[in-house]
Amino acid sequence: QKEVEQDPGPLSVPEGAIVSLNCTYSNSAFQYFMWYRQYSRKGPELLMYTYSSGNKEDGRFTAQVDKSSKYISLFIRDSQPSDSATYLCAMRGSSASKIIFGSGTRLSIRP
Amino acid sequence: EAGVAQSPRYKIIEKRQSVAFWCNPISGHATLYWYQQILGQGPKLLIQFQNNGVVDDSQLPKDRFSAERLKGVDSTLKIQPAKLEDSAVYLCASSLDRPGYNEKLFFGSGTQLSVL
Repeated sequence: QKEVEQDPGPLSVPEGAIVSLNCTYSNSAFQYFMWYRQYSRKGPELLMYTYSSGNKEDGRFTAQVDKSSKYISLFIRDSQPSDSATYLCAMRGSSASKIIFGSGTRLSIRP
Repeated sequence: EAGVAQSPRYKIIEKRQSVAFWCNPISGHATLYWYQQILGQGPKLLIQFQNNGVVDDSQLPKDRFSAERLKGVDSTLKIQPAKLEDSAVYLCASSLDRPGYNEKLFFGSGTQLSVL
């Protein structure tokens, strides 16, 4: 069993839709949770970062962490074609431990 | 500020040949990472440096891969000899060594390696 599981997609939605991206994990020691966005032929860039459980909002993006279920989500409101990319969840235990990435979900927003 | 610089952008080699990748991190970033990203997968950490020292190289295939970070700035990753399964994008990233910033990795655009 992988430490971090993520549905690879692809996921295709119309412009303006709400998008929900999810990851599950098995290591209860994970405390730091991140979402990275990766455009084609580019390196990942950090979108959202959450410590422990709860919600965090930044513009059209909301990250949720449910540690009891070992489940994290990223919601994108009013999705735009420019949001088309691969979204990688990532997590780590202590601040000194390595970051483990999910395999990524490929998202396409149709104009 | 300038981002993480990597070169070359693309490399095609035959199996059993050697190859080297170069990375220059963002100025002032003490931590440098090399990741391997195989098509359709997430990045996998190969090695993490803090300044000159190695923090984690547990997933580096040390029989064929080596990496160094001289003077705590730029870094090279070498593969010798290459195997077909080494075909991947090799990503370099850097971060500040400071609480609250350890999760913010800045990635370069990567080197796409094809081993034939």
